[in-house]
Amino acid sequence: EVQLVQSRAEVKKPGESLEISCKGSGYRFTSNWISWVRQMPGKGLEWMGRIDPSDSHSNYSPSFQGHVTISSDKSTNTAYLQWSSLKPSDTAMYYCARQMFGETLDYWGQGTLVTVSS
Amino acid sequence: QSALTQPPSASGSPGQSVTISCAGTSNDIGGSKYVSWYQQHPGKAPKLMIYEVTKRPSGVPDRFSGSKSGNTASLTVSGLQAEDEADYYCSSYTGSNNWGVFGTGTKVTVL
Repeated sequence: EVQLVQSRAEVKKPGESLEISCKGSGYRFTSNWISWVRQMPGKGLEWMGRIDPSDSHSNYSPSFQGHVTISSDKSTNTAYLQWSSLKPSDTAMYYCARQMFGETLDYWGQGTLVTVSS
Repeated sequence: QSALTQPPSASGSPGQSVTISCAGTSNDIGGSKYVSWYQQHPGKAPKLMIYEVTKRPSGVPDRFSGSKSGNTASLTVSGLQAEDEADYYCSSYTGSNNWGVFGTGTKVTVL
């Protein structure tokens, strides 16, 4: 069974750094890109970026370029989303998802809620 | 890349049908076979319901169907059931910049 299990909810202060994770199982982790999607409170879905776990090549939506870093570790079947300096506007639910052809996201993690508040 | 346009809400009584539209451009929906639909219940992760315009993943009821005409895609839910009450998002591949884009989302209410 394909599963993506994300790390727990986080509460951080502005300016702090953070890394959240997404661990895949039940399939060959290096065969599919992993995308990260943001959902701000009460809002819609936004594509942030994606990574190819086979070689850690990543690319970013223009709206998120320079604000986050996506990485992966194929030895542990885990993808990561990282911030170096959080802002209150980063408060959101973050989902990872396995990518099929044509940007179709067929399996999703349960989501990680990030709250940034002083 | 702008979000695809969906109506904010749609509704129907149990057993009826509801159709949700998703308007894009020739750069996304109009020029792509990769149009998907996702269902999201409150507090839950999105779930893939339709991919490649008309295909259903294993386990998705055949009450859910997708179509496309020109730059607009549609999701139809037939025989509405209480558990179909959720938010629905479309998405499309944009070949021009090798990226994907989501729709604005539609809240479906079962009356």
